[in-house]
Amino acid sequence: AQTVTQSQPEMSVQEAETVTLSCTYDTSESNYYLFWYKQPPSRQMILVIRQEAYKQQNATENRFSVNFQKAAKSFSLKISDSQLGDTAMYFCAFRTYGGSQGNLIFGKGTKLSVKP
Amino acid sequence: DAGVIQSPRHEVTEMGQEVTLRCKPISGHNSLFWYRQTMMRGLELLIYFNNNVPIDDSGMPEDRFSAKMPNASFSTLKIQPSEPRDSAVYFCASSFSDRATGELFFGEGSRLTVL
Repeated sequence: AQTVTQSQPEMSVQEAETVTLSCTYDTSESNYYLFWYKQPPSRQMILVIRQEAYKQQNATENRFSVNFQKAAKSFSLKISDSQLGDTAMYFCAFRTYGGSQGNLIFGKGTKLSVKP
Repeated sequence: DAGVIQSPRHEVTEMGQEVTLRCKPISGHNSLFWYRQTMMRGLELLIYFNNNVPIDDSGMPEDRFSAKMPNASFSTLKIQPSEPRDSAVYFCASSFSDRATGELFFGEGSRLTVL
């Protein structure tokens, strides 16, 4: 069975600084996606960044980037120049692909607070 | 484009009452998912459908829960009878089942409180 582990229940960072959120996963599949979703207090689930497992290049989206280590099954999220609006729960998630895709499996989340 | 639409956004009911949550997926998506979010258990998959057919309902807690997808544009999650432990936020999400992006698009969730 696939599992996703986020070992940091809470983190805080000063505005404009950089923070890294950790995620590890376990799977025997070779084709899959990894995601980071953000859930602000409004509770809307918002996709932050996506990584396809077959791509060696780490994904980036503006201030957000990932460090994808496939052999180590690690998928961390780096947020640069943190902003107050980044305060939210962040969920790491895994999904197999190919054929009929399965469901999205989430970690327990990391609560990030950005302080002024 | 309209996103995933869920209703109601908030529901307060008394133990024993029937609750029906509704979802309209994004047009063209052929996979639909129901998740439940609680502080204790996080985000749990309840059930998902591909092309209106239930594929995995192993997360449905018990017989009190049922889900239907009568057509590609509508799904319901019903709890009968409801219990206080069912209090949670219920999310519906949709996606393509066979496209390379893999992303799930979520509705705004339905917050259920059972007194």
